[in-house]
Amino acid sequence: EVHLVESGGGLVQPGGSLRLSCAASGFTFSNYWMSWVRQAPGKGLEWVANINEDGSERYYVDSVKGRFTMSRDNAKNSLYLQLSSLRAEDTAVYFCARYYVGATRFFDYWGQGTLVTVSS
Amino acid sequence: SSELTQDPAVSVALGQTVRITCQGDSLRSYFASWYQQKPGQAPVVVMYGKNKRPSGIPDRFSGSSSGTTASLTITGARAEDEADYYCNSRVSGGKHLVFAGGTKLTVL
Repeated sequence: EVHLVESGGGLVQPGGSLRLSCAASGFTFSNYWMSWVRQAPGKGLEWVANINEDGSERYYVDSVKGRFTMSRDNAKNSLYLQLSSLRAEDTAVYFCARYYVGATRFFDYWGQGTLVTVSS
Repeated sequence: SSELTQDPAVSVALGQTVRITCQGDSLRSYFASWYQQKPGQAPVVVMYGKNKRPSGIPDRFSGSSSGTTASLTITGARAEDEADYYCNSRVSGGKHLVFAGGTKLTVL
């Protein structure tokens, strides 16, 4: 059974940094693209970033480009999101999701999310 | 445009049929996927590709697409279908993704 478990969220001051982690199990992690999706309190879903199977391709939504860095460690079955220069508008639940890439593409499994609060 | 739009709220009487739509130029080129999210829970995919349902999703859920509009139809809505529904698609060059703002479905 596929499991994705996020960790690392918390309260951080504006301008600060945080590293989110996602532990994957139940599938061959190195065979899949992975994604981060966030949801601000009371708001909709927002795609944040994607990474391909070996980490050689990464794509980001414009609002986080240059501030967030997505990476993965296939040996540890882990996904990461380094958040820097954080702003109040980055406050959200951050979900890790497996991104199926085949004849069609979609998020087939999701973690439960970790809350990041940016506030002074 | 790289945006997708949905009606913010839709209601349906118990047992009736409801269609939730998603509009955007990128839907001419890429399939939409649909996600159901209940309060306090992670999203769950309910439809992807050309009318493909993941295992475990009831067959009262169906999908379609025409031009710049993708649709998720629930035939015989049940109380447990009350949730937020989001469409998602690839945009501009296919490397970036976008979600529409979501539709809150109320089952009356």
